[in-house]
Amino acid sequence: EVQLLESGGGLVQPGGSLRLSCAASGFTFSNYAMNWVRQAPGRGLEWVSAIRRNGGGTYYADSVKGRFTVSRDNSNNTLYLQMNSLRADDTAVYYCAKELAAPRGRYFDYWGQGTLVTVSS
Amino acid sequence: SYELTQPPSVSVSPGQTARITCSGDALPNQYTYWYQQKPGRAPVLVIYKDSERPSGIPERFSGSSSGTTVTLTISGVQAEDEADYYCQSADSSGTSVVFGGGTKLTVL
Repeated sequence: EVQLLESGGGLVQPGGSLRLSCAASGFTFSNYAMNWVRQAPGRGLEWVSAIRRNGGGTYYADSVKGRFTVSRDNSNNTLYLQMNSLRADDTAVYYCAKELAAPRGRYFDYWGQGTLVTVSS
Repeated sequence: SYELTQPPSVSVSPGQTARITCSGDALPNQYTYWYQQKPGRAPVLVIYKDSERPSGIPERFSGSSSGTTVTLTISGVQAEDEADYYCQSADSSGTSVVFGGGTKLTVL
């Protein structure tokens, strides 16, 4: 059974940093690209970042580029999101999601339960 | 930046057919995917590659595509289908993933 378990969320002050983790199990982690998607309270889904299977390629939404860094440890089946220079509008539930690729698209077949990040003074 | 447009809300009575649309200029060149999200829960994939249904998703869920608009159809809507529905695709480069703004389906 595929499981994705996020951790590391919490309350942080504006300008602060936080590192999220996503522990994966039930599939061969190193064979799949992984993504982070967030959802602000009462709002829709927003794609945040993606990382290729071997970590060689990383991609970011414009809203987080230069502040967030995605990485992975394939030996420990874990995905990370380092978030720096946090702002109030980064407040959201952050989901990790397993990616499947199609010839004309990418999508997410499994999602974690999410971890809440609150940026407030 | 690239956007996908969905109606904010759709309402139907039980047993009727709900249709939720998603529009975007790049949709003729990229597949669209649909997710169902219930309050406090993670999204669940209900349609992939425009019209394919994952295992475990009821047959009443279907998808179709025509030009720059894709449609999620739920036939014989049940109370348990009340949820937010999001379409998802990619920009023309395929690099960035894009979600629609979401549609709240209300079962009257």
